Formats: sequence, C-alpha cells, structure tokens
Amino acid sequence: SAVISQKPSRDICQRGTSLTIQCQVDSQVTMMFWYRQQPGQSLTLIATANQGSEATYESGFVIDKFPISRPNLTFSTLTVSNMSPEDSSIYLCSVEGGGGGLMNGYTFGSGTRLTVV
Amino acid sequence: GNSVTQMEGPVTLSEEAFLTINCTYTATGYPSLFWYVQYPGEGLQLLLKATKADDKGSNKGFEATYRKETTSFHLEKGSVQVSDSAVYFCALTPRAGNTPLVFGKGTRLSVIA
Repeated sequence: SAVISQKPSRDICQRGTSLTIQCQVDSQVTMMFWYRQQPGQSLTLIATANQGSEATYESGFVIDKFPISRPNLTFSTLTVSNMSPEDSSIYLCSVEGGGGGLMNGYTFGSGTRLTVV
Repeated sequence: GNSVTQMEGPVTLSEEAFLTINCTYTATGYPSLFWYVQYPGEGLQLLLKATKADDKGSNKGFEATYRKETTSFHLEKGSVQVSDSAVYFCALTPRAGNTPLVFGKGTRLSVIA
C-alpha cells in the first residue's frame, strides 16, 4: 500500500503567521485529500487536490485560508494562513492506498499537530 | 447526503470483555465501509473494510459485517485487551476509489486490566 511522509509532525506558531504542511507519497496518485481533526473530534475534509487543477474545497473552507498546491502526482502542500488559535488542530493528508478496488483502503499521513498561540 | 452515525463514547471495558461499537450509515448507491483506529499519540490506521453487501471485514480479532438491509457496519471483538484502547472511527466512501472518506465522530475505547 501507499506510504505517505508528512511534515512537520508538529509546530507551535504565532497568530497571524502561516504554516505550510507537506505530504510526499511513494507512488503516483490521482487524488490527495486534506483533513482537519480538531481536539477530541472526528476528521473533517478540507479539500480534494487533483494534480493539474485547482483543489476542490468543502463547505466552510476557502482557498484564501487554506491554499493547496499539487505540483505533481506524488506531492502536495496545504498552507494554513493568517492563523488564529481556532486553527489549532491536527492536519492530515490521505490517498487511496493502492492495489486497486480499495484493496488497501485509504492511507493517512502521520499528521501535523498545530498549536497557535 | 452521505453520513455515518457512530455509537457515542467513551466506552470502558474490562479485559476479555466483548466489544460492540455500533455504526450506521446513510449513502446513495453502494458505499464501501471502513473501520479505522487511532492509538494514543499515533496516526490513523485501517483496521478493516468491506466493499459490498454481506462482506465481512476482519483483522486483529475485530470483525464487522456490511449489512445493507439495516445500513449498518457494527464493529465487534470477542475478547478485548488493554492494547485495544484507542479511538475507533467508522467511515464510508460512496463509491470505489478517488472519493474522500466520510467519518463518524469516533468512539474512544478504554480497556482496563
């Protein structure tokens, strides 16, 4: 199944600044998904990133706040812009696990634990 | 729309007790269903899955059966261990491949010796 390297694993940031999170996949994938997991909560989809086109954002998430890049089929970044304490969460990327027919489910990066102070 | 309703936690069990975590779903068509587990301080791992009705997913002693008639995918384990303490998420994707997962709220399980 696919393996994702996500970084940074954690960061503490000042409000008003921005943080860029990177995900590198060991195989080519069509779609990459970005999620947010607020403290003690479930995962909420932020956006879907398809190489060669603009990301598709879910309701409540906007490109100016969470710009995404997808320069090739193995890499994507999510930026959390103009951060406030409410952005403190774990951010995760995900891809289909490979093997065809959801054989390996979906694979997740190890997550970026962001604290905004 | 697509949604997952999961049993509220937290759940606390003694070691070797029987575990059931209920999960029901709403989806158009024929979704694929998953259970993911998040151990303390770790990332999200696939526990088991089922991609069509009556399929049974199983792994590490856990089982779940895709019941289309009741739109359910309940997680069970016959004898839990302390090491099973984690948060369990039920999830679906509405069709095979390249569509994101929709998650339930998660159920925190604590197993005490």
